[in-house]
Amino acid sequence: RKEVEQDPGPFNVPEGATVAFNCTYSNSASQSFFWYRQDCRKEPKLLMSVYSSGNEDGRFTAQLNRASQYISLLIRDSKLSDSATYLCVVRTISSNTGKLIFGQGTTLQVKP
Amino acid sequence: DTAVSQTPKYLVTQMGNDKSIKCEQNLGHDTMYWYKQDSKKFLKIMFSYNNKELIINETVPNRFSPKSPDKAHLNLHINSLELGDSAVYFCASSQERRGVGRGYGSEQFFGPGTRLTVL
Repeated sequence: RKEVEQDPGPFNVPEGATVAFNCTYSNSASQSFFWYRQDCRKEPKLLMSVYSSGNEDGRFTAQLNRASQYISLLIRDSKLSDSATYLCVVRTISSNTGKLIFGQGTTLQVKP
Repeated sequence: DTAVSQTPKYLVTQMGNDKSIKCEQNLGHDTMYWYKQDSKKFLKIMFSYNNKELIINETVPNRFSPKSPDKAHLNLHINSLELGDSAVYFCASSQERRGVGRGYGSEQFFGPGTRLTVL
């Protein structure tokens, strides 16, 4: 079983739509959670951290359910510029050292 | 004023050759990383250095040898290149905050990637 699992998609949605991505992780001792965004042939960039209480940044809302080991990202009012791959990322501690574990990513294509 | 830079951006080489990729960060971070992103887009950590000390060494063939001459630089040397080494290699850096374990972790900034093709 992969440590971080995501549906690779692609998700094809029209502009203005609301779209949700889900992610599950296997290590219950995971400490921190993030969504990164990766544009085609570019490097990943931090989109937002994910907190237990849930957090929002403009059109983006992230949720964490530690009991179910589940993370979500909701994008409202999709824009063409939201087209990218969204990477679910979990930070775990191993041998007293933290490291990021990346999911495969979910591809979003927003169409006019 | 690039934050994390890598050279070269593209590298095409024959099987069996030895090659190096260089990485530099000007963010003043204390931790640097090498990741490999394969054709299926999985991004996996290979190595991490904190203040020039190797702290993460994943199950990577010993043909891969990282070197950190100072905390702003982390280079990756690959010996006897194989077809399966073809991938995009990303360098990253972060400033590890104090907390549980080796820092509580903060945002990692990635370089633009080096696309390695082994023929």
